Amino acid sequence: GQQVMQIPQYQHVQEGEDFTTYCNSSTTLSNIQWYKQRPGGHPVFLIQLVKSGEVKKQKRLTFQFGEAKKNSSLHITATQTTDVGTYFCAAHYGFNKFYFGSGTKLNVKP
Amino acid sequence: EAGVAQSPRYKIIEKRQSVAFWCNPISGHATLYWYQQILGQGPKLLIQFQNNGVVDDSQLPKDRFSAERLKGVDSTLKIQPAKLEDSAVYLCASSLVPTTGLINEQYFGPGTRLTVT
Repeated sequence: GQQVMQIPQYQHVQEGEDFTTYCNSSTTLSNIQWYKQRPGGHPVFLIQLVKSGEVKKQKRLTFQFGEAKKNSSLHITATQTTDVGTYFCAAHYGFNKFYFGSGTKLNVKP
Repeated sequence: EAGVAQSPRYKIIEKRQSVAFWCNPISGHATLYWYQQILGQGPKLLIQFQNNGVVDDSQLPKDRFSAERLKGVDSTLKIQPAKLEDSAVYLCASSLVPTTGLINEQYFGPGTRLTVT
C-alpha cells in the first residue's frame, strides 16, 4: 500500500546547528502536512503544502514540496532548545487516504 | 476556543477486558479522526467520520475495535477484547470539512494512554 518514508529517525544537534527531515513517497501526493509533537504531547499542525515545488517559511522553518510531489522536507535553521520534539509528515494521496510518517525525533543540546 | 477533549487520559486494563474512549471535537468541526500511536511510531489512522458517517475505516481492526459518532458531534472508540499489542496512545483529532482534493489542518486532543497487561 501507499507508505511514506521519513528520515532520519533521530537527529541530535548542538544548539545553533541546522536540522533537516525528509519525507519520501513512491507515488504522487495530493498534498502534505507537517506536524510537531513535543515529548508527552500531541501532534500540532505546522503547515500544509499543496503545489509542486512549493516553498513556505515560518521564521526559522522552511518547508519544501518536490517538483514531482513525491517528497518534502522541513529545514530548521539555527536550532533552539524549544525545537525539541518529533516532526511528522502526513502524506495525503487523495480520496481521504493519508498516512503519517514514522517521524524524526530531534534533540537539541544546549 | 476550546480544544479537542478526550477522556480518560490514562487507562490500565488486563488483556481480554473491554475499554472505551470518548472524544468531543472542536465545535463546528464536522470531521473527526481516531488514531492509534504506538510508542516511537507515527499516528495510524483508525477511522474517519464526517458528521455521523464513516469516511474511512480501512485500518480499523473490526474484529475487536468499534467506533461511533451517533449525533455527529462526540465519538466513542471501543476495544473488546483488548490484546497486549493494543497498548498505545489513542488520539482523537477534528477538522473542518475538507475542501475537495485537500485535507484540512487537524487539531489533536491530548490522547488516552492505554496499557494492556
